[in-house]
Amino acid sequence: KQEVTQIPAALSVPEGENLVLNCSFTDSAIYNLQWFRQDPGKGLTSLLLIQSSQREQTSGRLNASLDKSSGRSTLYIAASQPGDSATYLCAVGSQGGSEKLVFGKGTKLTVNP
Amino acid sequence: NAGVTQTPKFQVLKTGQSMTLQCAQDMNHEYMSWYRQDPGMGLRLIHYSVGAGITDQGEVPNGYNVSRSTTEDFPLRLLSAAPSQTSVYFCASSPTLTGLGSGNTIYFGEGSWLTVV
Repeated sequence: KQEVTQIPAALSVPEGENLVLNCSFTDSAIYNLQWFRQDPGKGLTSLLLIQSSQREQTSGRLNASLDKSSGRSTLYIAASQPGDSATYLCAVGSQGGSEKLVFGKGTKLTVNP
Repeated sequence: NAGVTQTPKFQVLKTGQSMTLQCAQDMNHEYMSWYRQDPGMGLRLIHYSVGAGITDQGEVPNGYNVSRSTTEDFPLRLLSAAPSQTSVYFCASSPTLTGLGSGNTIYFGEGSWLTVV
């Protein structure tokens, strides 16, 4: 059974700092990995999707990497802003007949002005 | 383009009552799913559908029923509500499965907050 772990559970940083969020998964047979952002009381917004054949994806100040062999992904946020404060969720789409996304529990990020 | 629309936003039920959470998408997506989100548990898949007339169980299907009569709609029915079903429910859709080579992302609704007393 695929399990996804995100560390740390919460992170507080000053504005302008570069930061890294971590995601690990137990089964390396994945289709893809996605990073989502969730604001309080809201749904999830997809930030980046990395396919199994890719190593990284970039969007603006965000960069996500994928290392299937080690079962790890990182989300790098450059020059953090208070507007980046949210919960960030990692999810993997697995093979083996499973058409499901398996989510981590998320990292709650607070960027202080 | 409304995306994924969920109704109601908030609902309070008494134990034993039944209700339906509605989900509709206007993007002509084949794949739709329901998740529940609980503190400390993350999002867990309840049921999903790969197209009209086709549904399957996810990780936590007990106590829930779904049907997919049209591409647009995917309602989630609580048959006899229990306090353990107090949660936030999210509906999601995507153009294809999270399959090999799929570069399609998944779109979520804004959630339905359900309290069972």
